[in-house]
Formats: sequence, structure tokens, C-alpha cells
Amino acid sequence: SQELEQSPQSLIVQEGKNLTINCTSSKTLYGLYWYKQKYGEGLIFLMMLQKGGEEKSHEKITAKLDEKKQQSSLHITASQPSHAGIYLCGADIFAGGTSYGKLTFGQGTILTVHP
Amino acid sequence: GAVVSQHPSRVICKSGTSVKIECRSLDFQATTMFWYRQFPKQSLMLMATSNEGSKATYEQGVEKDKFLINHASLTLSTLTVTSAHPEDSSFYICSAWNQETQYFGPGTRLLVL
Repeated sequence: SQELEQSPQSLIVQEGKNLTINCTSSKTLYGLYWYKQKYGEGLIFLMMLQKGGEEKSHEKITAKLDEKKQQSSLHITASQPSHAGIYLCGADIFAGGTSYGKLTFGQGTILTVHP
Repeated sequence: GAVVSQHPSRVICKSGTSVKIECRSLDFQATTMFWYRQFPKQSLMLMATSNEGSKATYEQGVEKDKFLINHASLTLSTLTVTSAHPEDSSFYICSAWNQETQYFGPGTRLLVL
């Protein structure tokens, strides 16, 4: 089983709709990273969360990390076709709370936004 | 944010040949870089950790002699796929940490015929 579970695996929405992607682990997440990837391209860094209860926003995207640091959500408000892509959560789950270590990734969520 | 580049972006080779992929940190130094592999519609799988000035650390199941990693300087790591076979066809992505964030290269698509 995946150490990081993302849901849903795919999502199709109409432009203007809000949506949420979840990332869940049975282990404590020491650093949770959200990335966006276009097919066949590299990963674009979106946001990083480290503290329990932390919430960050950038433009229409908001990411939260729960108090237990085992679940994160990515929320997009008023989605646009430019938001389409693959969203990946990555986390340091190897304890110690150290940065600069290996990241484990969820399986990704494919987002399609219809105009 | 920090920039990581990869070269080439795409390569097609014959079975049995070796292919070298370069990963560079353009505006920062990286003592550690990571190499990932991604199959279509799947997530990233860490292959190895590249350490400047020392041997790479490979993940379980990754053949060291198959995937040679050299971290020759603080801005360059190379991955060489030796005696490539069609099953090595994949998307290879490198990354490096800078100021608590891991930045990724644009990836290299390898197709082995």
C-alpha cells in the first residue's frame, strides 16, 4: 500500500467550480509539499507545510495540514483551465523532522477543468 | 524559486547502448541531489540519492551497476543508464534542495528501442 494516499485519483470539474484534493498518511508528516506537474514535464513547487494546523494560500490555491500532521488538503477556488494538471503531494516521513531528506510521493491526482 | 535543469530533455537510443543524463542546479549549490523515475500515470519513485564527493545511495531494488550516478561538483549530478533495455524506457527527473524546498528538473524522457 502507498505510504501517502491521495484522493481522488482523478477529478473533472467545470470551470469556476471549487475542488479539494486530499493527501493522507498513517505516519507523521515532517514537511508536506504540494507540486503540480504537466504531463511529460517537471514538477512545479506550489506550497510547503510543516506545522500542525498550518494553512497557506497562493492566488486561488489553499493548502492545509491538520493538527496531527497526517493529512493535508489542497483546495482550489473558482477553478480555471490553467489549473489542469497532475497534483502531487510529497512528504518527509522518515522521522527526525529533518529537511533535505528523501520525499515520498502520493500517486497523484489528475485534474481536468472544462471551460 | 531555485532552478534545476536537465539535459537532454528527450533521448531515443538502441537497446544495449548507454545513456547519460545531466542534472544541474543553476543558481545554487547542492551537495545532495535525488534521481526519480516516473512511469506513465504513476507517481515518482526515488531511485537514488546523489552525494557530492561520495558514493550515491540507492533505494532498494535499484541496480547500482545499471544506473551509475556521479556527483562531480556542487552543481552537477549525472545518471548513466548502462546497457539500456526497453524496460528502462521511462521519465527520469532529478531534484535538489534549496532553502527547505525540493526543486525539480524538467525531466528526461528516455525511449529505448
